[in-house]
Amino acid sequence: AQKVTQAQTEISVVEKEDVTLDCVYETRDTTYYLFWYKQPPSGELVFLIRRNSFDEQNEISGRYSWNFQKSTSSFNFTITASQVVDSAVYFCALSPADGGSQGNLIFGKGTKLSVKP
Amino acid sequence: DTGVSQNPRHKITKRGQNVTFRCDPISEHNRLYWYRQTLGQGPEFLTYFQNEAQLEKSRLLSDRFSAERPKGSFSTLEIQRTEQGDSAMYLCASSTQRNTIYFGEGSWLTVV
Repeated sequence: AQKVTQAQTEISVVEKEDVTLDCVYETRDTTYYLFWYKQPPSGELVFLIRRNSFDEQNEISGRYSWNFQKSTSSFNFTITASQVVDSAVYFCALSPADGGSQGNLIFGKGTKLSVKP
Repeated sequence: DTGVSQNPRHKITKRGQNVTFRCDPISEHNRLYWYRQTLGQGPEFLTYFQNEAQLEKSRLLSDRFSAERPKGSFSTLEIQRTEQGDSAMYLCASSTQRNTIYFGEGSWLTVV
């Protein structure tokens, strides 16, 4: 069975602090995609990153960075120097890499991040 | 605005009534998805279209739910005889083949 676990339900930090959001996944597929989405109060899911299971290189995009470790089935997300605008619910998701089921994303329950000024 | 568009954004309906939501995907995207999200949970997959063909349906999609994409462009999701348990946000998403899935802002349904 496929499953995504985001153990942190809520995190609260003060602006400029670094924060890491954890994501652990389970899958029997040999190839798969991992995603992070941001959901602000407006409700829209904003795409942040997609990572193929073959690519274990860490990625950095501005203040965001992602650490993919296949050995521990984890895909953690770090925000450096957090800002109030980063406050949102963040979802980690998993999908097969082949066929139409790519669109069948399995989401975690999300981590609510509050960044206080 | 070239993103995924959904309407209405909010709908309050009485139990037993039918409701319909519309989704306009990003114009060049041939794949369209519907998800449902309840409070405190992540979105759950409901169904998926490639062009006008509905290729996959979740067990969550009961007989009261029907989705269509008649010309391979916009899609509608209809819920018949609504129940209080149908209260949720219904998210539409689209993508090209093997590409990233982009979501709309969702349609909130409250059944009273």
